[in-house]
Amino acid sequence: RKEVEQDPGPFNVPEGATVAFNCTYSNSASQSFFWYRQDCRKEPKLLMSVYSSGNEDGRFTAQLNRASQYISLLIRDSKLSDSATYLCAVRTGPGGFKTIFGAGTRLFVKA
Amino acid sequence: NAGVTQTPKFRVLKTGQSMTLLCAQDMNHEYMYWYRQDPGMGLRLIHYSVGEGTTAKGEVPDGYNVSRLKKQNFLLGLESAAPSQTSVYFCASETGTGANEQFFGPGTRLTVL
Repeated sequence: RKEVEQDPGPFNVPEGATVAFNCTYSNSASQSFFWYRQDCRKEPKLLMSVYSSGNEDGRFTAQLNRASQYISLLIRDSKLSDSATYLCAVRTGPGGFKTIFGAGTRLFVKA
Repeated sequence: NAGVTQTPKFRVLKTGQSMTLLCAQDMNHEYMYWYRQDPGMGLRLIHYSVGEGTTAKGEVPDGYNVSRLKKQNFLLGLESAAPSQTSVYFCASETGTGANEQFFGPGTRLTVL
């Protein structure tokens, strides 16, 4: 079983739709969680960190469920520019230096 | 600030050839990483460094060596390239304190024939 698993998609949604991605992790000692965005043929860039209490940044909401060991990303009012691959990332700490990335979920937003 | 830069951007090698990929960061970050990204596999950690002069193995270190002689540079070497090393290589850096956000370079696309 992979340490971090994501549905690869693709998710095809119309503009304005709400879409949600989940990411499961296997190490219960994981302490830091992130969502990265990666555009085609570009490097990953941090979209948002995921906090225990959940957090929101504009149209994006991230949540953590430690009991079930998954994190989620909700995108509201999807834009064409949201089309990308979304990678979840999990880090085990303290003292852990390795971030494990999921394989990514591909999102296509169409007009 | 340039952030994280990688050279070269593209390279084609023949099996058995060697090469070095260079990663440089100007953010005074302590931690640096080398990943490879293959279709359907996500980012896999090759080697990493938590400070100048230190390196450690990641998930897929075989066939690669690294060096961190200067804090700002992290070199990835392929001693004898194999077709299985065809991939996109990303370097990343991180402050080493607090946020844990990784900043990535633009990647190197390597093809081994």
